[in-house]
Amino acid sequence: DSGVTQTPKHLITATGQRVTLRCSPRSGDLSVYWYQQSLDQGLQFLIQYYNGEERAKGNILERFSAQQFPDLHSELNLSSLELGDSALYFCASTSGGGTDTQYFGPGTRLTVL
Amino acid sequence: DQQVKQNSPSLSVQEGRISILNCDYTNSMFDYFLWYKKYPAEGPTFLISISSIKDKNEDGRFTVFLNKSAKHLSLHIVPSQPGDSAVYFCAASAGTGETSGSRLTFGEGTQLTVNP
Repeated sequence: DSGVTQTPKHLITATGQRVTLRCSPRSGDLSVYWYQQSLDQGLQFLIQYYNGEERAKGNILERFSAQQFPDLHSELNLSSLELGDSALYFCASTSGGGTDTQYFGPGTRLTVL
Repeated sequence: DQQVKQNSPSLSVQEGRISILNCDYTNSMFDYFLWYKKYPAEGPTFLISISSIKDKNEDGRFTVFLNKSAKHLSLHIVPSQPGDSAVYFCAASAGTGETSGSRLTFGEGTQLTVNP
């Protein structure tokens, strides 16, 4: 158990819909990262938050947005969903230091029908 | 632009033998490298890491080697056990001076199967 929690575990929805994925970092961790893993591919970095502020952006679509709340949990919002958005979405957390290891949650499997 | 590549999608070894997983990178700014293990339906689990100032790091049965001139790292597992069967991802980050942490760039993964 990494100490990072993600809900829900599975999500099935239709094209055009909007969903929210939630992540709670390990106790004391200030940085949260979101990654997407499409079928048989590596994890692709989407976005990072540090202590409530956006710090880095990767290959995140404009239809996607995220935020980190004062209690440090984070939400990833996916809107106008397309079939190609079906993937595993992982969040990871660190205390913030440059060489800190990122610890991953169990992921949310999103299926868009 | 695949900055981190794992050219072998799969590897099969016998229990007790050595498993060697390879990873190449292209970005000279990467200065910290990690290996993660992933079982189905679970998130990646951290295995071992190495800073660019070192060329070897060892933790029990796991050793990571870094060849900066060749931009190549490898993970050695000795002896391999059936429970090691999983997908192994190498990952790299740049900017270890960042106090807020740094994104990871992942390879595509290698499925390791250890046969009893």
